[in-house]
Amino acid sequence: DGGITQSPKYLFRKEGQNVTLSCEQNLNHDAMYWYRQDPGQGLRLIYYSQIVNDFQKGDIAEGYSVSREKKESFPLTVTSAQKNPTAFYLCASSIGSGTGRSNQPQHFGDGTRLSIL
Amino acid sequence: GENVEQHPSTLSVQEGDSAVIKCTYSDSASNYFPWYKQELGKRPQLIIDIRSNVGEKKDQRIAVTLNKTAKHFSLHITETQPEDSAVYFCAARGGGADGLTFGKGTHLIIQP
Repeated sequence: DGGITQSPKYLFRKEGQNVTLSCEQNLNHDAMYWYRQDPGQGLRLIYYSQIVNDFQKGDIAEGYSVSREKKESFPLTVTSAQKNPTAFYLCASSIGSGTGRSNQPQHFGDGTRLSIL
Repeated sequence: GENVEQHPSTLSVQEGDSAVIKCTYSDSASNYFPWYKQELGKRPQLIIDIRSNVGEKKDQRIAVTLNKTAKHFSLHITETQPEDSAVYFCAARGGGADGLTFGKGTHLIIQP
């Protein structure tokens, strides 16, 4: 969707290096998510944030970190502790969570493809 | 946590025929079930979703059915067209969770 911007489109990581993937949205959405997609696989949840200054681990959080200092931004850092980082990373957002708002659609950015040099 | 199984992994149908993709989920508290279409190298796009208080939802050639008792839901595409060729993912939002749990995808091939 045009309202979610991920950058860069392609990223290469050297051994022992941390890299940060950017995700910005102008949809005024409260909730933001990071997913990882491996070839031929479904998406797996890394981290999510329901509100500014708060985030929770998803199913595969080890080796990743996030921050949510602004409503519009939810950057993902792939640390050197993530031994198999090569994947397609997708950021998503939805209106919000909580009573009455939890089952709202999630819309995705165009993704960042990360590879190891 | 939630677990979503999706079948088949590949589905080939003749143009104009119908296609059905099936998913099962494990968490009886799951209450939201979206379907996404993903073309090669692109982002997943939401095509239809259903909530647990509804048994069926239709949008033109696409329909989704939900059986809460059996914990399965299905995507039905009628009068398939070449542009329907893509990978389709089902997902479920588990009770108490916020993120989605996805199936592994179905590669739908429309034969001319």
